[in-house]
Amino acid sequence: DGGITQSPKYLFRKEGQNVTLSCEQNLNHDAMYWYRQDPGQGLRLIYYSQIVNDFQKGDIAEGYSVSREKKESFPLTVTSAQKNPTAFYLCASSRRSGSSNYGYTFGSGTRLTVV
Amino acid sequence: SQELEQSPQSLIVQEGKNLTINCTSSKTLYGLYWYKQKYGEGLIFLMMLQKGGEEKSHEKITAKLDEKKQQSSLHITASQPSHAGIYLCGGEMADRGSTLGRLYFGRGTQLTVWP
Repeated sequence: DGGITQSPKYLFRKEGQNVTLSCEQNLNHDAMYWYRQDPGQGLRLIYYSQIVNDFQKGDIAEGYSVSREKKESFPLTVTSAQKNPTAFYLCASSRRSGSSNYGYTFGSGTRLTVV
Repeated sequence: SQELEQSPQSLIVQEGKNLTINCTSSKTLYGLYWYKQKYGEGLIFLMMLQKGGEEKSHEKITAKLDEKKQQSSLHITASQPSHAGIYLCGGEMADRGSTLGRLYFGRGTQLTVWP
């Protein structure tokens, strides 16, 4: 069955370390997204990519970096510059039709905790 | 600023009661998505609305999009404990006057159903 796989489910990071969250999809979707979720704040967009080798900053990109070398993969690196990285991270993908997207599908999330 | 305003923030109802969650956009929506989430898990797709005046139902859940495509409601009839969770609305709208291609989210509604 097609879907989005996020790994790991739980991740612990020491202060000052960079960590990378994995997101893989086999839905043949063009676009991929990273969201951050904090209690009471809904989902906030970190980065998104509409096609391979291209990505755009979302609303809270500072302290994060991404790459899109393959259509199936969109890893997110949380750098030491991100001052408050403890959160739940969700990856999503969607089909693209013209200038619009549809069929947004979400992964099961990665909970990152700074220790 | 919040592009999508969702209300109420939390809702506690007795099993068997009806309830409504609202989602209001400051801009015209090109697509409005409703998701359900259990704490610490990914988003489960419920329904998508695109046309003004559109209404969709699945089991005991009905979602509507108003004619102006700026307001949506999610109505649950005869609520059950299985309906408990976080409900999120996500909307696709023109991003700063340019192309579409991302979802904005409301802050979510925490629903508790007690027997």
